[in-house]
Amino acid sequence: GESVGLHLPTLSVQEGDNSIINCAYSNSASDYFIWYKQESGKGPQFIIDIRSNMDKRQGQRVTVLLNKTVKHLSLQIAATQPGDSAVYFCAESLSSRANSKLTFGKGITLSVRP
Amino acid sequence: NAGVTQTPKFRVLKTGQSMTLLCAQDMNHEYMYWYRQDPGMGLRLIHYSVGEGTTAKGEVPDGYNVSRLKKQNFLLGLESAAPSQTSVYFCASRPLLEDATNEKLFFGSGTQLSVL
Repeated sequence: GESVGLHLPTLSVQEGDNSIINCAYSNSASDYFIWYKQESGKGPQFIIDIRSNMDKRQGQRVTVLLNKTVKHLSLQIAATQPGDSAVYFCAESLSSRANSKLTFGKGITLSVRP
Repeated sequence: NAGVTQTPKFRVLKTGQSMTLLCAQDMNHEYMYWYRQDPGMGLRLIHYSVGEGTTAKGEVPDGYNVSRLKKQNFLLGLESAAPSQTSVYFCASRPLLEDATNEKLFFGSGTQLSVL
């Protein structure tokens, strides 16, 4: 019979629009958060990070927002371009703990329509 | 500065065969990690190392062994490959920062492993 694989959630946006990718994290004690971008056939690449003492951080065309009350992290991409099409992962850690490790989310696919 | 280099990029094994994946980094990083990535599962930590000569288990260590004989290299071994180990394997590294300012990982480009 036909086998069905697991599919990542997909966000489809029009080129030039702003994209918002959301992530719910699990550990209320986590104090460090990071976003990665993974293009097809490549390893994850760092986009932006934020510590829990901040609620917003901006980079080049990207902004990360942190809402600790509801354990929510979002990545905003301004003026989305075809090159932004990729899988995006959020990750969290408790950095104050010895040998802390990042825990990754399952990822969201961003598809940019020309 | 090549960053994190993984070899091989692709490999096909038969059930029961063994192999070693090599990860090399030229950034003098203390921490090194092996992850596996499966469809819809994100990245899961297999083993990691906080320095030369030390290794520790991650989230999914069964069926794998690792060694860190040199600071720049982290080897992942499969002694008897199983179809469940078909996956994409990623190595990553990061420096030891005294003030823990960030935990940004630097990833290699991955190894696609198929076990038949």
